[in-house]
Amino acid sequence: EPEVTQTPSHQVTQMGQEVILRCVPISNHLYFYWYRQILGQKVEFLVSFYNNEISEKSEIFDDQFSVERPDGSNFTLKIRSTKLEDSAMYFCASSEGVAIRQETQYFGPGTRLLVL
Amino acid sequence: GDSVTQMEGPVTLSEEAFLTINCTYTATGYPSLFWYVQYPGEGLQLLLKATKADDKGSNKGFEATYRKETTSFHLEKGSVQVSDSAVYFCALRNNAGNMLTFGGGTRLMVKP
Repeated sequence: EPEVTQTPSHQVTQMGQEVILRCVPISNHLYFYWYRQILGQKVEFLVSFYNNEISEKSEIFDDQFSVERPDGSNFTLKIRSTKLEDSAMYFCASSEGVAIRQETQYFGPGTRLLVL
Repeated sequence: GDSVTQMEGPVTLSEEAFLTINCTYTATGYPSLFWYVQYPGEGLQLLLKATKADDKGSNKGFEATYRKETTSFHLEKGSVQVSDSAVYFCALRNNAGNMLTFGGGTRLMVKP
């Protein structure tokens, strides 16, 4: 069964450093998403991406965040200058579309980011 | 804005007990409703969904009915197993956008 994959599974970085989290969505899916879950808190939406541009973003997704689809398979989340409060589990997801029958979002296993 | 409220856990049950995890929501329009499950060390997996009022989603013995009058989508299972131990997330997608709004998650622990 097709699945969303994410790398790395764990990342430790120093405050102020740039990190890139990588995701390979399901191959025939057209919409891609990033969510995060700070330890003990809710899963929060960051951004959705379609047709090579951001279609929706939350207030969390400020100028330090960016997303890119650099080739036909990868979808990346870049955090330019990490802060302690960026420590969280980051989930990538993808869906076929946004119509009722295509809307289900399939999630990857997550990348746990720790900022020291 | 949209919101989802779940009962806090952990919920601890004995094997073969009946499970209910409550979920209520606030949203404009007619959202789609979802239950996701997260097993230890894994990502979020879709368990079931419902897209309109009175729809019942079901999978692996779990059921949830979309109740618009009470804005609820409670998860039920008649007889839980140890392998059902996981964290369960209720979520909604408002059709005005693409994002999922999640509840806080409920940890279920099933003892043999």
